[in-house]
Amino acid sequence: EIVMTQSPATLSVSLGERATLSCRASESVSSNLAWYQQKPGQPPRLLIYGASTRAAAFPARFSGSGSGTEFTLTISSLQSEDFAVYYCQQYNDWPLYTFGQGTKLEIK
Amino acid sequence: QVQLVQSGAEVKKPGASLRVSCKASGYTFTSFYIHWVRQAPGQGLEWMGVIDPRRGATTYAHNFQGKFTMTTDTSTTTVFLEVGSLGSDDTAVYYCARSDYLKYPDSWGQGTLVTVSS
Repeated sequence: EIVMTQSPATLSVSLGERATLSCRASESVSSNLAWYQQKPGQPPRLLIYGASTRAAAFPARFSGSGSGTEFTLTISSLQSEDFAVYYCQQYNDWPLYTFGQGTKLEIK
Repeated sequence: QVQLVQSGAEVKKPGASLRVSCKASGYTFTSFYIHWVRQAPGQGLEWMGVIDPRRGATTYAHNFQGKFTMTTDTSTTTVFLEVGSLGSDDTAVYYCARSDYLKYPDSWGQGTLVTVSS
């Protein structure tokens, strides 16, 4: 099983500042990496797929990068609606998908 | 549009069994896989397994082998998750989600809260 490790567990950032979230895979997942945003009481929403392709519902301030075992989600200028929990998920090891444990992004 | 609508919240006693449904609409049901994901209170997402609605073939994560069973009814475009012998650690929100073959889940159900309590 591929283990996904996210860091940090909690990230405190001020409005308008940049947030950088990390995700590491225990073995290469190529670019088969997705990011999800989850707000309280809601299901996760697909944010990024293919490590760097942004889903249509999200603005350009969200970007993803990386390949192999190291991945980054960057939010360039935080807005109030961006505070949520973010999960990475590998889908390289079909059909045994795994999630990271999540990073909670909170207002500083 | 793509919709996955799950059954409502459940309260069960320890040792009971449970069936959660996930009704799909807005796309060709047999062309996409359905995944199940569990989220315990205050915890992260756990991938449980996936079913191919066309063939009924299933794959379970290691931690979800045994008392978890996924099935499908193509006549009603519904996927089911059955859980046997519930314990308190099964208290969670259960989500279904759709993906294409070899792809990421792109649409999610609203979640079903299951509470196991005596």
